[in-house]
Amino acid sequence: GQQLNQSPQSMFIQEGEDVSMNCTSSSIFNTWLWYKQDPGEGPVLLIALYKAGELTSNGRLTAQFGITRKDSFLNISASIPSDVGIYFCAGDHRDDKIIFGKGTRLHILP
Amino acid sequence: KAGVTQTPRYLIKTRGQQVTLSCSPISGHRSVSWYQQTPGQGLQFLFEYFSETQRNKGNFPGRFSGRQFSNSRSEMNVSTLELGDSALYLCASSFGLLVEVNTEAFFGQGTRLTVV
Repeated sequence: GQQLNQSPQSMFIQEGEDVSMNCTSSSIFNTWLWYKQDPGEGPVLLIALYKAGELTSNGRLTAQFGITRKDSFLNISASIPSDVGIYFCAGDHRDDKIIFGKGTRLHILP
Repeated sequence: KAGVTQTPRYLIKTRGQQVTLSCSPISGHRSVSWYQQTPGQGLQFLFEYFSETQRNKGNFPGRFSGRQFSNSRSEMNVSTLELGDSALYLCASSFGLLVEVNTEAFFGQGTRLTVV
């Protein structure tokens, strides 16, 4: 089946730093979604992208749908302690339905 | 409005047993999809139900099945449990089918199943 390659797997940053993570695929996706999952909770949708080239912001979060439709990135500016968690990208590929990346675990150093 | 509700939150079963998990979607949502989350494989799509019909299915064995009721509530059943079935099972609800444009899925907190 189709796969999403999400990187990095984990990040250790200082509070206040900016964060960038991305997902790539060898296949074209129709939709890109970014979720955050806190321990013991289900994923929460952060940003949804529907058109190639689309750049969308949600507070300190910014995500873009790659022009080739094979990639997407998520940026977090001025990180704060509550940003800690696992971030997942997900793509809507019509043959394989919805596919998730393996996640990026964000740690914030004291 | 109330979010997606999954019950139970935690479950311990023995190999060979079967288990039924429940998911109540957001009011007005007609699609319920199920996912398995494990440390090794990440989040994987199991199946999607819309208007009481299974519309899409992931690559899981027939031991995994589900159904949806007229009120859109859904149940997932796993028969003949194996140790490898231990996972967090998440359901998500959406107004339309997952593959429809502008459809956004909202997740429940999940049911953590441990098979011993």
